[in-house]
Amino acid sequence: KAGVTQTPRYLIKTRGQQVTLSCSPISGHRSVSWYQQTPGQGLQFLFEYFSETQRNKGNFPGRFSGRQFSNSRSEMNVSTLELGDSALYLCASSLVSGVDEQYFGPGTRLTVT
Amino acid sequence: GEDVEQSLFLSVREGDSSVINCTYTDSSSTYLYWYKQEPGAGLQLLTYIFSNMDMKQDQRLTVLLNKKDKHLSLRIADTQTGDSAIYFCAETLPPDKLIFGTGTRLQVFP
Repeated sequence: KAGVTQTPRYLIKTRGQQVTLSCSPISGHRSVSWYQQTPGQGLQFLFEYFSETQRNKGNFPGRFSGRQFSNSRSEMNVSTLELGDSALYLCASSLVSGVDEQYFGPGTRLTVT
Repeated sequence: GEDVEQSLFLSVREGDSSVINCTYTDSSSTYLYWYKQEPGAGLQLLTYIFSNMDMKQDQRLTVLLNKKDKHLSLRIADTQTGDSAIYFCAETLPPDKLIFGTGTRLQVFP
């Protein structure tokens, strides 16, 4: 069974631009969660999607958004990028609940210059 | 608050035991998890414990839970160089949110 895949793996953007990251969960998994990992803030929960609906949301500004498609694939979008958005963005999938056993992808390393 | 605390760094000699500690925040957390992150990789679930348990053993891993003190620990027996990584504990907050600790970097030296 293929694991969680994230594309792209690395991304460099400039301030003010927007970015879209993609996550393909493990086949059969319906819950997808997104996390931001930075050296200063650690691992922060962004949001969780299930059946194309956002079910949980962390404490991030509205510039961070996401969606989930009918095949459970998910995208997250960050608009008006700031330097502080530079981070590793991790996606995790689980069968049903965001607190079931989560399987993480390798992450997308975003650098904002 | 939602701060799950861990010590930042632990250094052990190969073959010794490692104990990584975690203090979580919500006594109603149903599951508590330990994840491992190797350089350049995502997180890998190592083990978890249900809140009505005090201890769980899984091969070289032993998880201890003290609900009264909201304290969780992970003991790795016979630590190997391949165990060098960052270890995160995580608690569940209702309804379905997973909150991660600050992470402990384990360094194993020969």
